[in-house]
Amino acid sequence: NAGVTQTPKFQVLKTGQSMTLQCAQDMNHEYMSWYRQDPGMGLRLIHYSVGAGITDQGEVPNGYNVSRSTTEDFPLRLLSAAPSQTSVYFCASSYSGLAGDLNTGELFFGEGSRLTVL
Amino acid sequence: AQSVSQHNHHVILSEAASLELGCNYSYGGTVNLFWYVQYPGQHLQLLLKYFSGDPLVKGIKGFEAEFIKSKFSFNLRKPSVQWSDTAEYFCAVNAGTGRRALTFGSGTRLQVQP
Repeated sequence: NAGVTQTPKFQVLKTGQSMTLQCAQDMNHEYMSWYRQDPGMGLRLIHYSVGAGITDQGEVPNGYNVSRSTTEDFPLRLLSAAPSQTSVYFCASSYSGLAGDLNTGELFFGEGSRLTVL
Repeated sequence: AQSVSQHNHHVILSEAASLELGCNYSYGGTVNLFWYVQYPGQHLQLLLKYFSGDPLVKGIKGFEAEFIKSKFSFNLRKPSVQWSDTAEYFCAVNAGTGRRALTFGSGTRLQVQP
Protein backbone atom coordinates (compact mmCIF):
# COMPACT_ATOMS: atom_id res chain seq x y z
CA ASN A 1 0.00 0.00 0.00
CA ALA A 2 1.85 3.08 -1.25
CA GLY A 3 -0.43 5.68 0.35
CA VAL A 4 0.19 9.20 -0.99
CA THR A 5 3.08 9.49 -3.42
CA GLN A 6 4.60 12.81 -4.43
CA THR A 7 7.14 13.44 -7.15
CA PRO A 8 9.65 14.93 -7.45
CA LYS A 9 11.05 15.12 -3.93
CA PHE A 10 13.42 17.94 -4.84
CA GLN A 11 13.38 20.46 -7.69
CA VAL A 12 15.26 23.62 -8.52
CA LEU A 13 13.71 26.04 -10.99
CA LYS A 14 14.62 29.36 -12.49
CA THR A 15 12.20 32.25 -12.27
CA GLY A 16 9.62 31.99 -15.03
CA GLN A 17 9.95 28.26 -15.60
CA SER A 18 6.94 26.00 -15.32
CA MET A 19 6.61 22.62 -13.70
CA THR A 20 4.13 20.16 -12.29
CA LEU A 21 4.24 18.50 -8.90
CA GLN A 22 2.64 15.10 -9.07
CA CYS A 23 0.47 13.56 -6.37
CA ALA A 24 -1.09 10.13 -6.52
CA GLN A 25 -2.95 8.09 -3.93
CA ASP A 26 -4.04 4.48 -4.10
CA MET A 27 -6.59 4.52 -1.28
CA ASN A 28 -9.61 5.58 -3.37
CA HIS A 29 -9.85 8.82 -1.41
CA GLU A 30 -12.27 11.46 -2.67
CA TYR A 31 -10.70 14.41 -0.89
CA MET A 32 -7.28 15.66 -1.91
CA SER A 33 -5.46 18.87 -1.13
CA TRP A 34 -2.20 20.70 -1.61
CA TYR A 35 -0.44 22.59 1.18
CA ARG A 36 2.73 24.61 1.26
CA GLN A 37 4.91 24.70 4.35
CA ASP A 38 7.01 27.77 5.07
CA PRO A 39 9.17 28.45 8.13
CA GLY A 40 7.17 30.06 10.92
CA MET A 41 3.91 29.81 8.99
CA GLY A 42 2.87 26.20 9.29
CA LEU A 43 0.94 24.63 6.44
CA ARG A 44 -1.30 26.73 4.23
CA LEU A 45 -3.90 25.34 1.87
CA ILE A 46 -3.30 26.05 -1.83
CA HIS A 47 -6.03 24.12 -3.67
CA TYR A 48 -8.27 21.21 -2.89
CA SER A 49 -10.59 18.74 -4.55
CA VAL A 50 -13.63 16.92 -3.22
CA GLY A 51 -13.78 14.45 -6.08
CA ALA A 52 -12.83 13.84 -9.68
CA GLY A 53 -13.62 16.86 -11.81
CA ILE A 54 -14.13 19.19 -8.81
CA THR A 55 -11.47 21.59 -7.57
CA ASP A 56 -11.47 24.80 -5.57
CA GLN A 57 -9.10 27.41 -4.19
CA GLY A 58 -7.66 27.41 -0.74
CA GLU A 59 -5.95 30.14 1.25
CA VAL A 60 -3.01 30.82 -1.09
CA PRO A 61 -3.99 29.80 -4.65
CA ASN A 62 -2.27 32.53 -6.69
CA GLY A 63 0.35 31.21 -9.09
CA TYR A 64 -0.89 27.62 -8.96
CA ASN A 65 -3.31 25.55 -11.02
CA VAL A 66 -4.76 22.14 -10.33
CA SER A 67 -6.91 19.57 -12.06
CA ARG A 68 -8.52 16.31 -10.98
CA SER A 69 -9.25 14.12 -13.98
CA THR A 70 -9.09 10.90 -11.95
CA THR A 71 -9.70 9.96 -8.33
CA GLU A 72 -6.07 8.90 -7.94
CA ASP A 73 -4.19 11.93 -9.26
CA PHE A 74 -4.09 15.58 -8.24
CA PRO A 75 -1.22 17.44 -9.93
CA LEU A 76 -0.19 20.96 -8.93
CA ARG A 77 1.08 23.21 -11.71
CA LEU A 78 3.29 26.26 -11.44
CA LEU A 79 2.89 28.13 -14.72
CA SER A 80 5.60 30.75 -14.15
CA ALA A 81 7.65 30.08 -11.05
CA ALA A 82 8.61 32.93 -8.72
CA PRO A 83 11.08 32.98 -5.81
CA SER A 84 8.12 33.44 -3.46
CA GLN A 85 7.06 29.91 -4.38
CA THR A 86 10.17 28.43 -2.82
CA SER A 87 8.67 26.11 -0.26
CA VAL A 88 7.95 22.55 0.74
CA TYR A 89 4.76 21.24 -0.80
CA PHE A 90 2.60 18.54 0.71
CA CYS A 91 -0.23 16.64 -0.88
CA ALA A 92 -2.85 15.13 1.42
CA SER A 93 -5.85 12.88 0.98
CA SER A 94 -8.77 11.58 2.95
CA TYR A 95 -11.76 9.35 2.32
CA SER A 96 -14.51 11.40 3.91
CA GLY A 97 -13.46 14.97 4.64
CA LEU A 98 -11.05 17.74 3.78
CA ALA A 99 -9.83 17.89 7.36
CA GLY A 100 -9.41 14.14 7.54
CA ASP A 101 -11.52 11.06 7.79
CA LEU A 102 -14.74 11.91 9.64
CA ASN A 103 -14.35 8.86 11.87
CA THR A 104 -10.63 8.49 12.47
CA GLY A 105 -9.71 12.12 11.87
CA GLU A 106 -6.69 11.11 9.86
CA LEU A 107 -5.42 13.05 6.89
CA PHE A 108 -2.83 11.14 4.86
CA PHE A 109 0.16 13.17 3.72
CA GLY A 110 2.79 12.56 1.11
CA GLU A 111 6.46 12.93 1.98
CA GLY A 112 6.71 16.39 0.52
CA SER A 113 8.35 18.09 -2.45
CA ARG A 114 11.02 20.69 -1.76
CA LEU A 115 11.00 23.37 -4.45
CA THR A 116 13.59 26.11 -4.83
CA VAL A 117 13.03 28.93 -7.30
CA LEU A 118 16.11 30.96 -8.14
CA ALA B 1 -12.02 32.83 10.20
CA GLN B 2 -10.35 30.23 12.33
CA SER B 3 -6.71 30.59 13.36
CA VAL B 4 -4.25 28.61 15.45
CA SER B 5 -1.36 29.93 17.56
CA GLN B 6 1.60 27.93 18.74
CA HIS B 7 3.71 30.17 20.90
CA ASN B 8 6.67 27.84 21.37
CA HIS B 9 8.64 27.85 18.14
CA HIS B 10 11.65 25.86 19.30
CA VAL B 11 11.87 23.77 22.43
CA ILE B 12 14.98 21.97 23.65
CA LEU B 13 14.65 19.32 26.35
CA SER B 14 16.77 16.61 27.87
CA GLU B 15 15.57 13.02 27.78
CA ALA B 16 13.11 12.18 30.56
CA ALA B 17 11.99 15.79 30.90
CA SER B 18 8.30 16.55 30.75
CA LEU B 19 6.83 18.25 27.71
CA GLU B 20 3.99 20.68 27.25
CA LEU B 21 3.43 22.46 23.94
CA GLY B 22 0.89 25.22 23.81
CA CYS B 23 -1.86 25.56 21.23
CA ASN B 24 -4.58 28.18 21.18
CA TYR B 25 -7.25 28.61 18.55
CA SER B 26 -9.72 31.30 17.70
CA TYR B 27 -13.17 30.14 16.76
CA GLY B 28 -16.30 30.46 18.79
CA GLY B 29 -18.20 27.41 17.64
CA THR B 30 -17.73 23.68 17.66
CA VAL B 31 -14.24 22.61 16.71
CA ASN B 32 -12.29 19.47 15.97
CA LEU B 33 -8.70 19.66 17.18
CA PHE B 34 -5.63 17.77 16.08
CA TRP B 35 -1.94 17.38 16.73
CA TYR B 36 0.25 16.20 13.87
CA VAL B 37 3.92 15.27 14.09
CA GLN B 38 6.58 15.41 11.43
CA TYR B 39 9.72 13.41 12.17
CA PRO B 40 12.86 14.46 10.30
CA GLY B 41 12.60 13.55 6.64
CA GLN B 42 9.13 12.06 7.00
CA HIS B 43 5.59 13.08 6.21
CA LEU B 44 3.12 14.44 8.71
CA GLN B 45 1.21 11.90 10.71
CA LEU B 46 -1.66 12.18 13.13
CA LEU B 47 -0.65 12.13 16.79
CA LEU B 48 -4.06 12.57 18.35
CA LYS B 49 -7.41 14.24 17.85
CA TYR B 50 -10.36 15.64 19.74
CA PHE B 51 -13.86 15.51 18.30
CA SER B 52 -16.09 15.44 21.38
CA GLY B 53 -16.48 13.81 24.79
CA ASP B 54 -13.65 13.45 27.29
CA PRO B 55 -11.49 16.57 26.93
CA LEU B 56 -8.37 14.60 27.80
CA VAL B 57 -7.37 12.61 24.76
CA LYS B 58 -4.57 10.11 24.44
CA GLY B 59 -2.61 9.52 21.29
CA ILE B 60 0.24 7.41 20.06
CA LYS B 61 3.64 7.14 21.69
CA GLY B 62 2.47 8.29 25.12
CA PHE B 63 1.26 11.72 24.07
CA GLU B 64 -1.90 13.29 25.41
CA ALA B 65 -3.69 16.59 24.99
CA GLU B 66 -6.31 18.43 26.98
CA PHE B 67 -9.06 20.50 25.43
CA ILE B 68 -9.98 23.44 27.63
CA LYS B 69 -12.90 25.14 25.95
CA SER B 70 -12.89 28.20 28.22
CA LYS B 71 -9.27 28.89 27.30
CA PHE B 72 -9.57 27.92 23.62
CA SER B 73 -6.58 25.69 24.19
CA PHE B 74 -5.47 22.20 23.22
CA ASN B 75 -2.04 21.73 24.76
CA LEU B 76 0.07 18.67 24.03
CA ARG B 77 1.81 16.86 26.87
CA LYS B 78 4.13 13.96 27.47
CA PRO B 79 5.44 13.05 30.94
CA SER B 80 8.86 11.89 29.82
CA VAL B 81 10.30 12.61 26.38
CA GLN B 82 12.72 10.44 24.47
CA TRP B 83 15.35 11.31 21.90
CA SER B 84 13.07 9.75 19.27
CA ASP B 85 10.46 12.45 19.98
CA THR B 86 12.66 14.98 18.19
CA ALA B 87 10.32 16.31 15.52
CA GLU B 88 8.14 19.22 14.52
CA TYR B 89 4.69 19.32 16.05
CA PHE B 90 1.70 21.02 14.48
CA CYS B 91 -1.58 21.88 16.09
CA ALA B 92 -4.56 22.09 13.72
CA VAL B 93 -8.20 23.00 13.97
CA ASN B 94 -11.23 22.37 11.88
CA ALA B 95 -14.41 24.23 12.61
CA GLY B 96 -17.70 22.46 12.89
CA THR B 97 -18.72 19.89 10.35
CA GLY B 98 -15.36 18.81 9.02
CA ARG B 99 -16.27 19.97 5.55
CA ARG B 100 -13.60 22.66 5.68
CA ALA B 101 -9.88 22.09 5.47
CA LEU B 102 -7.61 22.12 8.47
CA THR B 103 -6.02 25.33 9.69
CA PHE B 104 -2.52 24.63 10.99
CA GLY B 105 -0.43 26.43 13.53
CA SER B 106 3.10 27.52 12.68
CA GLY B 107 4.61 24.47 14.35
CA THR B 108 6.93 23.80 17.27
CA ARG B 109 10.31 22.24 16.68
CA LEU B 110 11.19 19.92 19.55
CA GLN B 111 14.77 18.88 20.04
CA VAL B 112 15.43 16.21 22.66
CA GLN B 113 19.01 15.89 23.78
CA PRO B 114 20.27 12.48 24.95
